Amino acid sequence: QVQLVQSGAEVKKPGASVKVSCKAFEYTFTSYYVHWVRQAPGHGLEWMGQINPSGGGASFAQKFQGRGTIIRDTSTNTVYMEMSGLRPEDTAMYYCARGGITVAGTPNWFDAWGQGTLVTVSS
Amino acid sequence: DIQMTQSPSSVSASVGDRVTITCRASQRINTWLAWYQQKPGKAPKLLIYAASTLQSGVPSRFSGIRSGTDFTLTINGLQPEDFGTYYCQQADSFPYSFGQGTNLEIK
Repeated sequence: QVQLVQSGAEVKKPGASVKVSCKAFEYTFTSYYVHWVRQAPGHGLEWMGQINPSGGGASFAQKFQGRGTIIRDTSTNTVYMEMSGLRPEDTAMYYCARGGITVAGTPNWFDAWGQGTLVTVSS
Repeated sequence: DIQMTQSPSSVSASVGDRVTITCRASQRINTWLAWYQQKPGKAPKLLIYAASTLQSGVPSRFSGIRSGTDFTLTINGLQPEDFGTYYCQQADSFPYSFGQGTNLEIK
């Protein structure tokens, strides 16, 4: 079945960068948007950004623009989310999720999720 | 940006009860709304999309309805496995946004 598998937990110091991967299985990788959603401990869900794996175009919420990058590797069906200038308040579980169909422009609700990657930012 | 206001923030109910959770969008989003269930330590799970369409495999006791910019998730006949936190999400426009969540506890 459709599966998204993320890389393992990371511990980073303030100011560092982190790169989280999300590998897709059992569907046509370039046909669906992939999104990133984060959840700080004890808090709700926060949408961060998305990528169209077909063309590679990515969009970030304004809050993360300038610090966040999303790229994809179509040879390995993997999406990467990198965030720089990490702060303690970036400590969160980071999820990737499958969104809408790229060519059809279907709405972006998230029908498959990765298991999450805990990123801890601490000095 | 579209704000999603979800209520209540928490609810406690007994097995067999009917539970309703509401989400209000700050502007018109048509039916571009989804509901998710999240259990502790797990990723969210899509329950309903397009305001009222049940995701495959989701029990029929879950239902959703839209009235203008108000959206309601109803659980008819609460089951023990329905505990968790429920979120709404608007898929109308960037940045996609979630409600604050409703923590459902089984009495």
